[in-house]
Amino acid sequence: QAVLTQPSSLSASPGASASLTCTLRSGFSVATYSVYWFQQKPGSPPQYLLRYRSDSDKRQGSGVPSRFSGSKDASANAGILLISGLQSEDEADYYCMIWHNSAWVFGGGTKLTVL
Amino acid sequence: QVQLVQPGAEVKKPGASVKVSCKAFGYTFASYDINWVRQATGQGLEWMGWMSVKSGKTGYAQKFQGRVTMTSDTSRNTAYMELSSLISEDTAVYYCARNPPDSGWFDFWGQGTLVTVSS
Repeated sequence: QAVLTQPSSLSASPGASASLTCTLRSGFSVATYSVYWFQQKPGSPPQYLLRYRSDSDKRQGSGVPSRFSGSKDASANAGILLISGLQSEDEADYYCMIWHNSAWVFGGGTKLTVL
Repeated sequence: QVQLVQPGAEVKKPGASVKVSCKAFGYTFASYDINWVRQATGQGLEWMGWMSVKSGKTGYAQKFQGRVTMTSDTSRNTAYMELSSLISEDTAVYYCARNPPDSGWFDFWGQGTLVTVSS
């Protein structure tokens, strides 16, 4: 079982909100991790979006709009990237990442389609 | 401005080694760590390892232990990632990315180097 699991795809309408989940493998608590989020568009390297550990410990990437935000769902043992006011330019792949057992670990990525 | 510049492509035969460079511009090179991340076509991101430019300390993903070596030349503001015993499954785009020490804030990335392993 992978350390981080993301749904492979998600679709949402322009102007709506999208909630992208990043579920941590059973046996490890998301509460103890900082979850990082990256956006990647075709043909380009990933871009850092934000880090979220708690409401009092988070960091937005430089120039990243405030409509991108992070949170956690303890009951689902998941980190969440919320994108509000979806725009066509938000269509991209999104990856989560954590520091786990002395290594950076990426989730498998979610392809977000805005249509 | 901050840039990480990588060569566009490398072609290698199975069993050979590849050494990918990552030249830094626009910041104090030794103040940041360098990570290497690869991505096969149509696949996700795979972290390979990191190095502290300041100390030379490295940490490698278990999958690549014994096959990868990360180094830097501070006189050239350049980091290197060498991968040996190449197989076709190593065909991928290899990215370098900088981060402040002890942080996952990979704020600047190179454009990537496409390494093709083919006989």
